[in-house]
Parts: sequence; structure tokens; C-alpha cells
Amino acid sequence: DSGVTQTPKHLITATGQRVTLRCSPRSGDLSVYWYQQSLDQGLQFLIQYYNGEERAKGNILERFSAQQFPDLHSELNLSSLELGDSALYFCASSVMGQESSPLHFGNGTRLTVT
Amino acid sequence: AQTVTQSQPEMSVQEAETVTLSCTYDTSENNYYLFWYKQPPSRQMILVIRQEAYKQQNATENRFSVNFQKAAKSFSLKISDSQLGDTAMYFCALRGAFGNEKLTFGTGTRLTIIP
Repeated sequence: DSGVTQTPKHLITATGQRVTLRCSPRSGDLSVYWYQQSLDQGLQFLIQYYNGEERAKGNILERFSAQQFPDLHSELNLSSLELGDSALYFCASSVMGQESSPLHFGNGTRLTVT
Repeated sequence: AQTVTQSQPEMSVQEAETVTLSCTYDTSENNYYLFWYKQPPSRQMILVIRQEAYKQQNATENRFSVNFQKAAKSFSLKISDSQLGDTAMYFCALRGAFGNEKLTFGTGTRLTIIP
């Protein structure tokens, strides 16, 4: 168990809809990362938050947004969903200042857009 | 920009044999960190092994070891005495120093252990 909790595990929705994915980081971790893994692909970095502030941005679509709350949990909002947004979305967390430490990953949310 | 390349999309090996997965990377940073993650059919991301770029000694974790060639920017993973439970996707990943902490992943190698 990595200590990172993601909900829901599965999400099925229709094109054009909006969904929210939730992540609770490991206790003590202030940094949260979101990744997208399309079918049989590598993990693509979307965005990083540190202690409530956006720290780094990857190839995140304008239809997607995220935030980190004062209790450090994070949410990834996906809107105007398209079939191509179907993927496994991972959240990971880490401490800051210990870059030799790995990112700890949640079990992912599998999003299916029909 | 950081890039990670895994040139072997798929590999298979007989149980108990040794297999080596290749990874090359590119970064302009002097201080960085390299990781191998395993993703079994359950889709969990599991850390296999890590290597600090400033350390010359190759990391080992039980049956897993790396061959880190800094000048060549190569970071291969060797799995000895392979087991059926090693069947998974393996991702090589690069992490920068403070200010660039995200992980950049390669496209993965699908490893199948044959009984």
C-alpha cells in the first residue's frame, strides 16, 4: 500500500460531460502529481501541485484543471469529455527536497468515456 | 527538456533466466535520479529500483540490478532468476533535482516470463 488514495476507482461517463477525480496524498507529502496513461502507453505528466500552489505543468489540456486544497488533497477536473480522454489517471505524491525518493503512486482512476 | 527512451517494446524470457531491459535518457542537469517502475496487470505502479546520478556504484535490490553508464546516458535493468511474477510492463523514469521534480517516463517494455 503506497498510502496514496484515489477515488473513484472506475468512472464511466458520456462525451461532453464533466468529472472530478480525487486524490489524497501520503501522510506528510506536500507535493501531488497527476499523470495520464492511455491504453498501453507510457505515463504522461499533467500537472504538479506543492502545498496548494501549482508548481509545474505538462501537456494538460485546457479542458482539464486541477487544484490542491488546504488539507493537501487534490482534485483533477475533466470537462467537455471526448472519447480520447478515456485513460487511467494516476495521482502520485512525494516530499519536497528529497528528489532521490520515488514518487508514490495511487492505484489510479480508470475513466471510460462513451 | 528531459527525455527517456525504451527501445524494446516487448521481451520474453524463460523462467529462471536472466533478462536485461534497456533505457537511455537525456537531460541537461548534472544532478538527477533514475528509477525503474513495474506495472503488473493490476496496473499498480511499483518501484523496482532507484539510482542517484552522482553515485558511481550500480544499485541492486535482490534479483534486480542496474547498469548505469552516466557518460552514455544509459540505465539498463537486469533481472536475474526471473519469476512468473515478474511479468509486467517496466518503465524507466528520470527525475530532476529541486525545481524539476516530476518524473519523466519512457514508453515501457512489456516483459513476459514463460513457464
